[in-house]
Amino acid sequence: TQLLEQSPQFLSIQEGENLTVYCNSSSVFSSLQWYRQEPGEGPVLLVTVVTGGEVKKLKRLTFQFGDARKDSSLHITAAQPGDTGLYLCAGAGGNNRLAFGKGNQVVVIP
Amino acid sequence: EPEVTQTPSHQVTQMGQEVILRCVPISNHLYFYWYRQILGQKVEFLVSFYNNEISEKSEIFDDQFSVERPDGSNFTLKIRSTKLEDSAMYFCASSMTGSNSPLHFGNGTRLTVT
Repeated sequence: TQLLEQSPQFLSIQEGENLTVYCNSSSVFSSLQWYRQEPGEGPVLLVTVVTGGEVKKLKRLTFQFGDARKDSSLHITAAQPGDTGLYLCAGAGGNNRLAFGKGNQVVVIP
Repeated sequence: EPEVTQTPSHQVTQMGQEVILRCVPISNHLYFYWYRQILGQKVEFLVSFYNNEISEKSEIFDDQFSVERPDGSNFTLKIRSTKLEDSAMYFCASSMTGSNSPLHFGNGTRLTVT
């Protein structure tokens, strides 16, 4: 079983601050995906990282895949209230299933 | 933008009853999935479906569960005899080329078993 641990589970910050959340595993993944989930809705894909050490940027969000392809981080610069949500990482291990972490709940206070 | 649609949005059923959850995946996608999320828990893989057959299933997907693609557009999840612990959000997803490609999720069906 491939386990993904996300930390911190809950993070509350003021608008304009920066934040970083983490997704760690002892397993190697062929790719790792980050999703955002709003209450009552399904996860929505933000980014897929494939290569060890890869960095992808999506406006104020920066995603990094660890060199060993076991971990990833999400950094948000100058957080906005619209960034509030549950951020899920999910790893693909070569079979046809994704293993999800429990998520990082981010709250940005105006 | 094309999206995955799920019906109903909320289903309440009594323990022991059969339920069918319905999904219409994105039309040109080839892989279909069911995931579930128990309240406060992580999203868990149930089953993947490709080329009209199950390609992979998890330990959760026991004999009480079945999936079907009865026509060219619908993808269904049936639970034959529901248990209290089946209460969860059930998400359908589809993708072009398997789980290394982006999964598009529906908004889920909230199943409540009483």
